[in-house]
Amino acid sequence: GEDVEQSLFLSVREGDSSVINCTYTDSSSTYLYWYKQEPGAGLQLLTYIFSNMDMKQDQRLTVLLNKKDKHLSLRIADTQTGDSAIYFCAEPLGQAGTALIFGKGTTLSVSS
Amino acid sequence: EPEVTQTPSHQVTQMGQEVILRCVPISNHLYFYWYRQILGQKVEFLVSFYNNEISEKSEIFDDQFSVERPDGSNFTLKIRSTKLEDSAMYFCASDGRGLVYGYTFGSGTRLTVV
Repeated sequence: GEDVEQSLFLSVREGDSSVINCTYTDSSSTYLYWYKQEPGAGLQLLTYIFSNMDMKQDQRLTVLLNKKDKHLSLRIADTQTGDSAIYFCAEPLGQAGTALIFGKGTTLSVSS
Repeated sequence: EPEVTQTPSHQVTQMGQEVILRCVPISNHLYFYWYRQILGQKVEFLVSFYNNEISEKSEIFDDQFSVERPDGSNFTLKIRSTKLEDSAMYFCASDGRGLVYGYTFGSGTRLTVV
């Protein structure tokens, strides 16, 4: 079945770039997502990428997709302390469903 | 900005008791979901709901679980006889524009079964 794996922790200094990595299993996924969860809050959609794209840039966020290796990454440029949160990678569950399967989440800690 | 509202934020219940978790989705959304996250584990899909019926459910969503949209605004998850392993954060989500735009999640209800 589908599975999404992420590293659990990342610690960076303010102003550095952060790169959060994810691997997924379902090669037929048409979209892949990054969600952010701040303490006490729900999951907030950060960005998504179509499977026919290799890269998507959205202000400080860059998403890279390597379909051959089923690898997705999220780069945050000029990381700020406000970026400290848990970041989840997600892909659709199954062919026709609208459900999502999530990774365990990567906790990003930004120090000043 | 429209929000998905979940109540209560934290519920403690005794094993074997029934609990109802409540959600108010965004008013013009059509697709509704429940997910759960056991502490330290992944966010897991439970069930999706569209047009007043379940459209998809996971293996976790067994006969102990049910969902309802009783009055056109609330969306509820009922657990009939809670077990210790039901302790988790439960997230409701709604989506009005299809999967590609993702969902709007609520802040979650932390359910603790003792």
